[in-house]
Amino acid sequence: GQNIDQPTEMTATEGAIVQINCTYQTSGFNGLFWYQQHAGEAPTFLSYNVLDGLEEKGRFSSFLSRSKGYSYLLLKELQMKDSASYLCAVRDDTGRRALTFGSGTRLQVQP
Amino acid sequence: SAVISQKPSRDICQRGTSLTIQCQVDSQVTMMFWYRQQPGQSLTLIATANQGSEATYESGFVIDKFPISRPNLTFSTLTVSNMSPEDSSIYLCSVYGTGSGELFFGEGSRLTVL
Repeated sequence: GQNIDQPTEMTATEGAIVQINCTYQTSGFNGLFWYQQHAGEAPTFLSYNVLDGLEEKGRFSSFLSRSKGYSYLLLKELQMKDSASYLCAVRDDTGRRALTFGSGTRLQVQP
Repeated sequence: SAVISQKPSRDICQRGTSLTIQCQVDSQVTMMFWYRQQPGQSLTLIATANQGSEATYESGFVIDKFPISRPNLTFSTLTVSNMSPEDSSIYLCSVYGTGSGELFFGEGSRLTVL
């Protein structure tokens, strides 16, 4: 089975940096994904880590440590439009390739 | 990338009825995934649909309640049968993009059961 934990809510200030953590326990691992979901919309892909280390993509970066079962999503230069839910998801190594999602972190960016 | 079209985008249904959701992809894909997102919750995988074989259902989901069709490599349907208010959710179709590791989602079908 899989267990994925992330904080329920976070608040940050416009222009600041925020780090959203995700810890996971899986019976097999084949990648960790981060998605952004605005209210009433479908999730949109942000990043994907399969090896340890940092992946940077513009204002967003994602880090993975497989030995610790830990990932974080780093958002820099926060903008009001970054207010959304951020979903951590894990893919197992069974070959079915489906993702298991965490409960999501609702980020509120304040002026 | 992958462009996914879902129909209907939303519907209001009566208890005891059934509704079929359609998912059309702009490219051929081996696997299509159906997720449910209940109000205020995260995404839960219902089943994986492969062309030419029976769908694989996750624990807690059964074929009688959520029959799935996969007639070809670009299309799938999910039926929500004998609906109750607890089935009020957003149902999302998803596929991997061609040559990429990204899982893309359709816009979702928001069902409200009265």
